[in-house]
Amino acid sequence: DVKVTQSSRYLVKRTGEKVFLECVQDMDHENMFWYRQDPGLGLRLIYFSYDVKMKEKGDIPEGYSVSREKKERFSLILESASTNQTSMYLCASSLHPAGWDQPQHFGDGTRLSIL
Amino acid sequence: DQQVKQNSPSLSVQEGRISILNCDYTNSMFDYFLWYKKYPAEGPTFLISISSIKDKNEDGRFTVFLNKSAKHLSLHIVPSQPGDSAVYFCAAGGGSNYKLTFGKGTLLTVNP
Repeated sequence: DVKVTQSSRYLVKRTGEKVFLECVQDMDHENMFWYRQDPGLGLRLIYFSYDVKMKEKGDIPEGYSVSREKKERFSLILESASTNQTSMYLCASSLHPAGWDQPQHFGDGTRLSIL
Repeated sequence: DQQVKQNSPSLSVQEGRISILNCDYTNSMFDYFLWYKKYPAEGPTFLISISSIKDKNEDGRFTVFLNKSAKHLSLHIVPSQPGDSAVYFCAAGGGSNYKLTFGKGTLLTVNP
């Protein structure tokens, strides 16, 4: 079974802090993704990566950056946290190329609160 | 603009009956579709998928139907069970883009 592990289930940070969310997958997947989930808005893609050191912006990249130094690890960075970044953050991974038979597999999420 | 729409925020059915969840899309470039189930405080779990070259895919109690001309897909759950109560997300992907585009989700409640 695919295992996608997010380092924290719950996190509380203060406005202006630099925040790191970590994600590790154990299936040698090429593709990794970061989403946020907000009530009434569904899942929105922040960034994704299809290879080590490669990254592409998703639909809502503003205020975020990412790092992928190793194939199994994908980090999301909030450069200067703001209250509107309070959300559930979900990491996912998939084989490449993506397709109907190569679904994305998700971690359990990090509930981030910015005070 | 929303490229994947789930127009029903919620659906309630009786245990043992059929649940039908609907999804519409606008982008003709999508060539595969997936359904995910999500319980509170957990990540989405992959349920079933379909390629655009098919019009039906079945896996146990779950069947996905695709109508390309109408740009519509549906997920049928038969028979529905209380453990099926969750939020269901429809997602679409295609082309050389690795992204999935998700709908906003439908909360299914199966009453005993």
